[in-house]
Amino acid sequence: DTEVTQTPKHLVMGMTNKKSLKCEQHMGHRAMYWYKQKAKKPPELMFVYSYEKLSINESVPSRFSPECPNSSLLNLHLHALQPEDSALYLCASRNPGDTGELFFGEGSRLTVL
Amino acid sequence: SQQGEEDPQALSIQEGENATMNCSYKTSINNLQWYRQNSGRGLVHLILIRSNEREKHSGRLRVTLDTSKKSSSLLITASRAADTASYFCATALDRGSTLGRLYFGRGTQLTVWP
Repeated sequence: DTEVTQTPKHLVMGMTNKKSLKCEQHMGHRAMYWYKQKAKKPPELMFVYSYEKLSINESVPSRFSPECPNSSLLNLHLHALQPEDSALYLCASRNPGDTGELFFGEGSRLTVL
Repeated sequence: SQQGEEDPQALSIQEGENATMNCSYKTSINNLQWYRQNSGRGLVHLILIRSNEREKHSGRLRVTLDTSKKSSSLLITASRAADTASYFCATALDRGSTLGRLYFGRGTQLTVWP
């Protein structure tokens, strides 16, 4: 099983809503990543968890709150988002210390109204 | 910024032709990777070339790396309509780090016409 599974695939939310994006992997990877990607742009790193601890926060606004409840799960909690936060949110995983392939999920398409 | 520059930004070819995309970067790397992304989907890893390698092949893909020029190229031979996608290069700077950050280029949008 080499999949990274993201849910939901699509999410529409208002600026006052609270929602969460979920990512799951069963490859035994201990580093998990959140990326944000706007149309026709490269992915931008948001957060990295290594051994379930937050190791990188790329100065992401606090309306995005990551959580890594265990080594297989990664959540991104969303609250009071802005329309400009509409994007494709990608989860990825691999092993810490590994500089090789990143395994990506299919992404969650977020629209903020 | 380490972020790569890719050219061309867009490439349009006929099926059967070869497609070449280039990537340049700014600082020393551990490896360089190429990813493919179909519209609205996740990224799929295609190939990795290490800093001590000059050329690598995988099926219809050929990657070259010139560390003196800090550049790489991806060649797709005998292209197919199904190759239509965005292609990103990504560089890994950290060796032995727990972070393993990848820096993505801006991407090349390849369109292959039947």
